[in-house]
Amino acid sequence: AQSVTQPDIHITVSEGASLELRCNYSYGATPYLFWYVQSPGQGLQLLLKYFSGDTLVQGIKGFEAEFKRSQSSFNLRKPSVHWSDAAEYFCAVAPPGGQNFVFGPGTRLSVLP
Amino acid sequence: EAEVAQSPRYKITEKSQAVAFWCDPISGHATLYWYRQILGQGPELLVQFQDESVVDDSQLPKDRFSAERLKGVDSTLKIQPAELGDSAMYLCASTPYSGGYSNEQFFGPGTRLTVL
Repeated sequence: AQSVTQPDIHITVSEGASLELRCNYSYGATPYLFWYVQSPGQGLQLLLKYFSGDTLVQGIKGFEAEFKRSQSSFNLRKPSVHWSDAAEYFCAVAPPGGQNFVFGPGTRLSVLP
Repeated sequence: EAEVAQSPRYKITEKSQAVAFWCDPISGHATLYWYRQILGQGPELLVQFQDESVVDDSQLPKDRFSAERLKGVDSTLKIQPAELGDSAMYLCASTPYSGGYSNEQFFGPGTRLTVL
């Protein structure tokens, strides 16, 4: 069965600093990979997704993620964090051609002024 | 911009009472999901519909939870009776059917349930 781990429960960064959120997955083949963001009390919004091809994926709000097959990772990055990026971030996987998403436990991002 | 609608946004109930949540997916989206998200955790799938048919309800506690999507459009999730452990955010998501590809899931704002 597929699974997702996000090793960091909570990360705090200063505004303007760079950010990397880690995501590791367990799956027999290369799954489809997603990053979602959730503001307090809100639903989830898709930041970016990877299906195949270029392993560096660009998303909305200046985020990018890199798929590394050898490490079974799909880490999310942003070069300069803004205060409005404070939220919960979820990595998710789905089997190729399937529609069943499995979400990681999330990483809460706090941004210091 | 089309959105997934959910109501109510907040619900407080006492244990042993019945509660119901409603979801209206984006128009034309054939697949609808209900998730439960416990505070501090990621969403967990409860049930998946393809049009009006249940595709996956393996994680739905069927002794107390039920879900329906009678006309293949909007959907209702019911809990009867509610228990303290049901306190969570209930999220609805939808995606267009695309012949087997994993599409982005579009999420509604959720219903925050508190059971007292």
